[in-house]
Amino acid sequence: AQTVTQSQPEMSVQEAETVTLSCTYDTSESNYYLFWYKQPPSRQMILVIRQEAYKQQNATENRFSVNFQKAAKSFSLKISDSQLGDTAMYFCAFMRHSGNTPLVFGKGTRLSVIA
Amino acid sequence: ETGVTQSPTHLIKTRGQQVTLRCSSQSGHNTVSWYQQALGQGPQFIFQYYREEENGRGNFPPRFSGLQFPNYSSELNVNALELDDSALYLCASSAGLAGVSYEQYFGPGTRLTVT
Repeated sequence: AQTVTQSQPEMSVQEAETVTLSCTYDTSESNYYLFWYKQPPSRQMILVIRQEAYKQQNATENRFSVNFQKAAKSFSLKISDSQLGDTAMYFCAFMRHSGNTPLVFGKGTRLSVIA
Repeated sequence: ETGVTQSPTHLIKTRGQQVTLRCSSQSGHNTVSWYQQALGQGPQFIFQYYREEENGRGNFPPRFSGLQFPNYSSELNVNALELDDSALYLCASSAGLAGVSYEQYFGPGTRLTVT
């Protein structure tokens, strides 16, 4: 079974600064997907960024980027130029490559962006 | 393009009662997954439906059951409600199997409170 661990229950960052959220996972699969989801107080789970395990290049989406270390089973999220709207719960999630398999989530990190 | 919708938004039930939650999948999506998110936790996979058939189930008792309809909308039914069933129930839709599309799009959730 796969497990996802987020070791930082809460983090805070000043507006315009950079913050990194950590995630580690455990799996025996060789091919899989990793995701970061954002859940603001509105509760809607929003996909932030995804990474295919077979791709060595780290994914980037505007101010969001990941550091994917496959051998170390580590998948951190870097948020640059933090904005007040980034305040939310962030969940790291794993999915096997077999298509439409369930997401396995970590417990989340609560990020507060301070003005 | 219509996103994933869920109803109702909030629900209060008494222990022992039964509840039905509803989800309309995003246009073009034929797969629906249900997750339970307890307070302060990450979502946990309940089950998934693909073209009206159950396509995987998490570690939830049989009193959690579901349906998917020809239009790919879905219901989650919970019988004999327990206090621990109080949670946010999330529905996510996706398109296809066999790795065609792995992204799951979430609805806003239904907050269930059992008293």
